[in-house]
Amino acid sequence: DGGITQSPKYLFRKEGQNVTLSCEQNLNHDAMYWYRQDPGQGLRLIYYSQIVNDFQKGDIAEGYSVSREKKESFPLTVTSAQKNPTAFYLCASSIISSNQPQHFGDGTRLSIL
Amino acid sequence: KQEVTQIPAALSVPEGENLVLNCSFTDSAIYNLQWFRQDPGKGLTSLLLIQSSQREQTSGRLNASLDKSSGRSTLYIAASQPGDSATYLCAGGVGNQFYFGTGTSLTVIP
Repeated sequence: DGGITQSPKYLFRKEGQNVTLSCEQNLNHDAMYWYRQDPGQGLRLIYYSQIVNDFQKGDIAEGYSVSREKKESFPLTVTSAQKNPTAFYLCASSIISSNQPQHFGDGTRLSIL
Repeated sequence: KQEVTQIPAALSVPEGENLVLNCSFTDSAIYNLQWFRQDPGKGLTSLLLIQSSQREQTSGRLNASLDKSSGRSTLYIAASQPGDSATYLCAGGVGNQFYFGTGTSLTVIP
């Protein structure tokens, strides 16, 4: 089945530690996105990429980094510079077209130890 | 920057009732408007997408409308069922980004 796989489902970070969240899609979509979801705040865009080896900052990119070395993969690193990383992280992908919806993974919940 | 608002934040209805969820946006330059469903602890599932040139889309018991001039979209759910209980989010596409509302949490009481 085609879809988006996020791993792990739950992740714990120690103070001062970088952690990487995985996102893989087999939908052959060009665009991929990372969102952060906090209670009562909806989804906020962290980074997005429309083509391999290129990505753009979203509204809340500080403390995060990404790479797009392959079309199907868009990992997100939460660095120690992100002071409030506890949240639900969602990865999405889409065909770049106004009539195509975004498809989402099942998310990774990150907590601080 | 696009601001998307959803009212009400929570809604509880008896089974079988028809209901309307509201979404308003500030930037009429959206190229599409999507409605999603989110179950607890899960990702988002796309329900309906309306392109900016369209007025509405229908899928089964769901109907979504878009009025760009007033900055509003509605999601109509007919004959609600307990399985419809979830959070419903709308998102407007502007430029290369999508801007999400905070969602409406729907509970359908058997």
